Amino acid sequence: GAVVSQHPSWVICKSGTSVKIECRSLDFQATTMFWYRQFPKQSLMLMATSNEGSKATYEQGVEKDKFLINHASLTLSTLTVTSAHPEDSSFYICSARGQGAGNTIYFGEGSWLTVV
Amino acid sequence: SQKIEQNSEALNIQEGKTATLTCNYTNYSPAYLQWYRQDPGRGPVFLLLIRENEKEKRKERLKVTFDTTLKQSLFHITASQPADSATYLCALDRGTYKYIFGTGTRLKVLA
Repeated sequence: GAVVSQHPSWVICKSGTSVKIECRSLDFQATTMFWYRQFPKQSLMLMATSNEGSKATYEQGVEKDKFLINHASLTLSTLTVTSAHPEDSSFYICSARGQGAGNTIYFGEGSWLTVV
Repeated sequence: SQKIEQNSEALNIQEGKTATLTCNYTNYSPAYLQWYRQDPGRGPVFLLLIRENEKEKRKERLKVTFDTTLKQSLFHITASQPADSATYLCALDRGTYKYIFGTGTRLKVLA
């Protein structure tokens, strides 16, 4: 089946620095990718939707200047957490949708971010 | 706004029994509803999708029902096994594949 890969699986960064998380669709072209954030024991919350070659659409309450999303190709989307703070520590998950995957949504394995 | 409620308390059942998990939503009926499995520290894994015009869907030991009158979906695992222990999430499509997830129900199957 279709596979979505995230990298890194976990990352620790210092407060004030930026960190980039990659989301790749390995065997299909992802026309749309979604970024979610999940705090412990809470549900996945959609942060933004990105379509290849266009600007991401952010959900209400998500700062677009803080969470930079780039979907430069049909197989790669990146989320950059800028000027990270401890409250940004969370589990970030991407999902991807594309014709090659039968319009099914596939989720990545997630990336743990810890800001110290 | 649409809200999804899943029993946040953990569900413990004995191996071999049928586990039944509940997902209730509060607003409009979605075009379809999905169930996912999530293991600790991992991303969700798709299990089943049921459309609003479908009453029931089955896949191996899994069964999902969808009652748009009650605004409820039930997720059943028959002949449960310890390997089925995980958190199960239901999700509704807000439109254009933007999902709203419930908080999930943690299932523990006891050997």
